Amino acid sequence: GAVVSQHPSRVICKSGTSVKIECRSLDFQATTMFWYRQFPKQSLMLMATSNEGSKATYEQGVEKDKFLINHASLTLSTLTVTSAHPEDSSFYICSASKGLAGGGEQFFGPGTRLTVL
Amino acid sequence: AQRVTQPEKLLSVFKGAPVELKCNYSYSGSPELFWYVQYSRQRLQLLLRHISRESIKGFTADLNKGETSFHLKKPFAQEEDSAMYYCALSAGGGNKLTFGTGTQLKVEL
Repeated sequence: GAVVSQHPSRVICKSGTSVKIECRSLDFQATTMFWYRQFPKQSLMLMATSNEGSKATYEQGVEKDKFLINHASLTLSTLTVTSAHPEDSSFYICSASKGLAGGGEQFFGPGTRLTVL
Repeated sequence: AQRVTQPEKLLSVFKGAPVELKCNYSYSGSPELFWYVQYSRQRLQLLLRHISRESIKGFTADLNKGETSFHLKKPFAQEEDSAMYYCALSAGGGNKLTFGTGTQLKVEL
């Protein structure tokens, strides 16, 4: 159990458009979901922490108006990259946690490759 | 602020040789330390955590608070151990993870 999916796996868009990425916990309820960004051959950088029904908490340096996060249910969180530009091209990874009941372990999605032309 | 350092980007060993992937951290409180692994074309997954004090796939890691280290060890490397390994730290509430830059382990025959 504890499977996390992401959709789409890969997206190419034009500069100035918005892109939505979905993260779903398929077989458990996720009290918290996390969004990461990973540049080539670099580590995962936490962008924001999202709790169901409340506003996301963004890490320092992450523009909340640029990266809109919605956590509408215990199984779904979405990341919308608004007015995307080429520098937003990256690998975006989400993870989901069962919270303290699950020992705090994070279960990761497969990632979404965003390319902005 | 917390920080995780993995000094080696690439570690190459022969099959059957011992493996040690280094991880050092900086955090003023009591951290939780994890090792995550990413096999080729697969997603990131938890390998082990320090509070469990268990051996997974022959790997162990001991938290050394004096040296602020959490090195990952395995006595005899196997070909299937080839992967990217990330050390991560969770500090405080919320289960946020701070990742190191990762070490690519390559086990050669």
